[in-house]
Amino acid sequence: GAGVSQTPSNKVTEKGKYVELRCDPISGHTALYWYRQSLGQGPEFLIYFQGTGAADDSGLPNDRFFAVRPEGSVSTLKIQRTERGDSAVYLCASRTGNTGELFFGEGSRLTVL
Amino acid sequence: QKEVEQNSGPLSVPEGAIASLNCTYSDRVSQSFFWYRQYSGKSPELIMSIYSNGDKEDGRFTAQLNKASQYVSLLIRDSQPSDSATYLCAVNGAYNTDKLIFGTGTRLQVFP
Repeated sequence: GAGVSQTPSNKVTEKGKYVELRCDPISGHTALYWYRQSLGQGPEFLIYFQGTGAADDSGLPNDRFFAVRPEGSVSTLKIQRTERGDSAVYLCASRTGNTGELFFGEGSRLTVL
Repeated sequence: QKEVEQNSGPLSVPEGAIASLNCTYSDRVSQSFFWYRQYSGKSPELIMSIYSNGDKEDGRFTAQLNKASQYVSLLIRDSQPSDSATYLCAVNGAYNTDKLIFGTGTRLQVFP
């Protein structure tokens, strides 16, 4: 596609529920990143994929968070047993080459009630 | 100490003035530095990248890098109300050049 696509754009869930957020990167971009952004803060790194493998998952806050990218394109961020503190905008970005220039999607706003 | 530090602002400047945004980073081995602009409710978009010490100019924007001082700045000349946004400084992670770490951002307000 023309840009990074994220779905859903908004998700409201109840505490304890399971949530999946999807990211479709720019065609041909091999690297895919997930960030989380809370109000008034900068994007917080979660995980980065190069191809199908997670090259760096050091930003995942705990084992409730997991992400996959099985075919090296679309990625899914999975959050189990959601907590109110998980409420944030989850941003996906993709990159080609090794320039470090990321292209972001519009984000998925997660609200945990 | 945060890895990437910025003054949260707001920084208020009159239209036509120069806006100066600053950023410091903690790790000396970082090699890649970026400025992203984020309008309220929107996602970040890249406006400048810089990799070598000195200045890099692109239109009304100039990025400045001083690796010895671990300091990177962004100058916006002839500021316009449309420049009002949050400016995020981003630095590649010290031992993983593919991990990009963002500061908290500086909110810029340009008033007519």
